[in-house]
Amino acid sequence: GQQVMQIPQYQHVQEGEDFTTYCNSSTTLSNIQWYKQRPGGHPVFLIQLVKSGEVKKQKRLTFQFGEAKKNSSLHITATQTTDVGTYFCAGPGYGGSQGNLIFGKGTKLSVKP
Amino acid sequence: SQTIHQWPATLVQPVGSPLSLECTVEGTSNPNLYWYRQAAGRGLQLLFYSVGIGQISSEVPQNLSASRPQDRQFILSSKKLLLSDSGFYLCAWANDWNTEAFFGQGTRLTVV
Repeated sequence: GQQVMQIPQYQHVQEGEDFTTYCNSSTTLSNIQWYKQRPGGHPVFLIQLVKSGEVKKQKRLTFQFGEAKKNSSLHITATQTTDVGTYFCAGPGYGGSQGNLIFGKGTKLSVKP
Repeated sequence: SQTIHQWPATLVQPVGSPLSLECTVEGTSNPNLYWYRQAAGRGLQLLFYSVGIGQISSEVPQNLSASRPQDRQFILSSKKLLLSDSGFYLCAWANDWNTEAFFGQGTRLTVV
C-alpha cells in the first residue's frame, strides 16, 4: 500500500546547529504537508507544498518538494529550544486510500541549550 | 472560523470496559473526518476516516469502531477495551482529501 517514510526518527542537536528531516513517498503526491507536534500537544499544520520543485520559507524553516513530487525535506537553520517537537510529513492517499491522509512516522527533534 | 472539539482530554478505563470518544467540528460542512492513534513516542496511526455521514473507512482491523451520525460528529467506540488500546487519540478534520488537516486537542487514554 501507499507509504510515507520519514528519516531520521530522532535527532539531537545543540542549540544553534541546523536540522533536516527527509520524507519519501512510495507514490507521486499531489501535495505534501508538514506538521509540528510539541511534547504533550497535538499536531499543528505548518505548510503545504504543491508544485514540483517548490521551495517555501517560514523564518528559519525551509521546506522543499522534490521534482518528482515523491520526496520532501524540512530544514531548520540555527535551531532554538522552541523548535523542540516531532515533525511529521503527510500526503493525501490515492485510489483505495482516497480520503485518507497518510503521515510519516515523524522526526523527533531535541535541542540542547 | 472553524473549531474542533474533542473530549475528554484524559481517560482511565479498566480492561474490558466500553469506550466512547466524541469529536465535533464547527464552522464547516461536509468535512473529511479522521481518527488517529499515537502510542507513546510514536507516529500517527490512522484508525478511521470518513468522507460523509455514515461513510466510514477502516485502516486497521481491531476492536475499535467509528461512526458518523451527523455531518460534523465523529465517534470512536469500543465494546471491550484492551491494554493495547492505550494511547493518545486524535480527531482531525479537513475540507477535502487534498488539503491540510486540523487536529483536536486529543484524548490520552490509559487502559488499566
